[in-house]
Amino acid sequence: SQQGEEDPQALSIQEGENATMNCSYKTSINNLQWYRQNSGRGLVHLILIRSNEREKHSGRLRVTLDTSKKSSSLLITASRAADTASYFCATEGLISGGYNKLIFGAGTRLAVHP
Amino acid sequence: DAGVTQSPTHLIKTRGQHVTLRCSPISGHKSVSWYQQVLGQGPQFIFQYYEKEERGRGNFPDRFSARQFPNYSSELNVNALLLGDSALYLCASSLEYSGNTIYFGEGSWLTVV
Repeated sequence: SQQGEEDPQALSIQEGENATMNCSYKTSINNLQWYRQNSGRGLVHLILIRSNEREKHSGRLRVTLDTSKKSSSLLITASRAADTASYFCATEGLISGGYNKLIFGAGTRLAVHP
Repeated sequence: DAGVTQSPTHLIKTRGQHVTLRCSPISGHKSVSWYQQVLGQGPQFIFQYYEKEERGRGNFPDRFSARQFPNYSSELNVNALLLGDSALYLCASSLEYSGNTIYFGEGSWLTVV
C-alpha cells in the first residue's frame, strides 16, 4: 500500500511561476526523499531531508518537512518547461528487521507551459 | 562515474515465460533494491539486498526472486509471467542499507503479452 499521498495529483503552470507540491505520510520516518521522473524514464533524485531537519535547499528547489504533521512540501521556483515531469516523495521508515525501503506516493504530474 | 545501470531497457515476454533483469549499482554501493512501477502509480518495493544477502522483501509472490553477486551487481528473476507483471522495473543502489540517498537506474520496461 502507498504510504504517502501527493497533492495535487496534477499541476499546470506557466514558465516563470512557482510550483508547490505537497506530500503527506502515515508512519514515523528516518528520512524523506523527493524524486523527478520524466515520462517512461527512471527516477532522478532531487533532495533527501532527514527527520531532524526542517528545510533544505538545492538550486531552485526548496523542501520543507513537518514531522508533527507528517507532511513535506517541494517548491520549485521560477519554473521552466524542462521541469515538466512527475514528482514523487518517498519515505524511508525507521529501521525494522535490519532493512529499509522507500515507500512512494502516487506522484504529482507537473506541466510547465512556455 | 557511472550511475545505476540496468539491462535490458525494454523487453516483451509471453505469459508463462521467465525473465531475468540485471542491475549494476554505483561503484562502492553495497545495497541494491528492486522496485516495480505500474503505469500511473508510484514504485513498489520488491527486494533489498545488502552485502549479497536478502535483507527485505515486499508483498510480492514467490515467483519473484533476486540475488546479489560478489561485485554487488544484482539480478531480478520473475517466473510464470502474468499479464499483470507488465511494468517498469527499477533498480536502486545506496551506500548502506539505510539512511543514505537512494539512486535509481533508468529501469527495464517489461511487457507481458
